[in-house]
Amino acid sequence: EIVLTQSPDTLSLSPGEGATLSCRASQTISGNYLAWYQQKPGQAPRLLIFGALNRAAGFPDRFSGRGSGTEFTLTISRLEPEDSAVYYCQHYGNSPWTFGQGTKIEIK
Amino acid sequence: QVQLQESGPGLVKPSETLSLSCTVSGGSVRSVMHYWSWIRQPPAKGLEWIGYVYDSGSTNYHPSLKSRVIISVDTSKNQFSLTLTSVTAADTAVYYCARSLAVAGSRYFDLWGRGTLVTVSS
Repeated sequence: EIVLTQSPDTLSLSPGEGATLSCRASQTISGNYLAWYQQKPGQAPRLLIFGALNRAAGFPDRFSGRGSGTEFTLTISRLEPEDSAVYYCQHYGNSPWTFGQGTKIEIK
Repeated sequence: QVQLQESGPGLVKPSETLSLSCTVSGGSVRSVMHYWSWIRQPPAKGLEWIGYVYDSGSTNYHPSLKSRVIISVDTSKNQFSLTLTSVTAADTAVYYCARSLAVAGSRYFDLWGRGTLVTVSS
């Protein structure tokens, strides 16, 4: 089982600032089969990034993903109040599919 | 557009069986293009994939839950279901149903239900 470790646990930032979220895998994720999800309070997660760097429909280009192997990042530029959420990474290669523990972004 | 909706009891007693259904609207659960998964989230915690059903019967479960889980399809109702036996308080969670493409490289969850809270308590 691949263990995904996200850091930091929480980011508290002001509007307009940028955020960099990290997702580290315990072993190489083949094919860069790594997704990011955004979850707002009381809502289901929403697909944000797939294939490590491909943005899902409905998200602006302020959101970008990169990485390969065991190290992946999600970058959010020019933070807006509606970006306040918990962000999860997830691998979808060989099962069991697993999620990171999440990074919470708070907008001051 | 395809939508998923979970349904089932919100309260289950310890040692009993949790049963949930997910209704697929706007699409077909018979689709061989998709995996139909269950994912759960304990209160204030992260996400855990439970397993999926595919092609109306093939299944794949998380090893930690495999001995207690059954995921099945009811094509007549266009639903897929989760059965979890011998529940404990640790099974208290919001349970989501979700869809992914049954194609290597595309098995991320592109569609989720709203989730349903199941509490295990006497």
